[in-house]
Amino acid sequence: DVKVTQSSRYLVKRTGEKVFLECVQDMDHENMFWYRQDPGLGLRLIYFSYDVKMKEKGDIPEGYSVSREKKERFSLILESASTNQTSMYLCASSTSGFLSPYGYTFGSGTRLTVV
Amino acid sequence: GQQLNQSPQSMFIQEGEDVSMNCTSSSIFNTWLWYKQDPGEGPVLLIALYKAGELTSNGRLTAQFGITRKDSFLNISASIPSDVGIYFCAGRSTTSGTYKYIFGTGTRLKVLA
Repeated sequence: DVKVTQSSRYLVKRTGEKVFLECVQDMDHENMFWYRQDPGLGLRLIYFSYDVKMKEKGDIPEGYSVSREKKERFSLILESASTNQTSMYLCASSTSGFLSPYGYTFGSGTRLTVV
Repeated sequence: GQQLNQSPQSMFIQEGEDVSMNCTSSSIFNTWLWYKQDPGEGPVLLIALYKAGELTSNGRLTAQFGITRKDSFLNISASIPSDVGIYFCAGRSTTSGTYKYIFGTGTRLKVLA
């Protein structure tokens, strides 16, 4: 069964800590994405990557960075966690091109609480 | 960043009722997707649409690709308690890149037994 795996379902971190959220996919997908989900705001794109070592900013990159050293792994980094980064974080992956019409495969999410 | 307008934002319905929700865009899309997110989980793909006017079913769910290519609709017939969750639409066009989808804000569905 193909999947996207996020390393933690729940995390509680302190303000100012550096936080790493890990995501691994086993589908050999080129593209990987990090979203945050907040009530009433839907899914907002933080960063995405279309190849190893490549990254592009999404709509809300401030306070975040990413790393993609291997094709299957995409990490989201909160450099100095703040309470307004308390949220549900979703990782997703997809293949490239219009011939791959099945959208994104999502992980189960990491609910991060910053105290 | 661009988001799709999805309505209603939330709805409470009685078990057995039919449900309708829709999604509109200011851009023309060539692919529309509908996802469902169960509480505490990630979204899962329900239906994909690739052609204007296309009508596709998945069990009790039916989705349509609007003929203007700027909207899409999802209907759920005879709702049951496990239909509870958040339903997202997503669309893609040549202007948004070949791999990046734009998501709606979600419709939260609650079913009263």
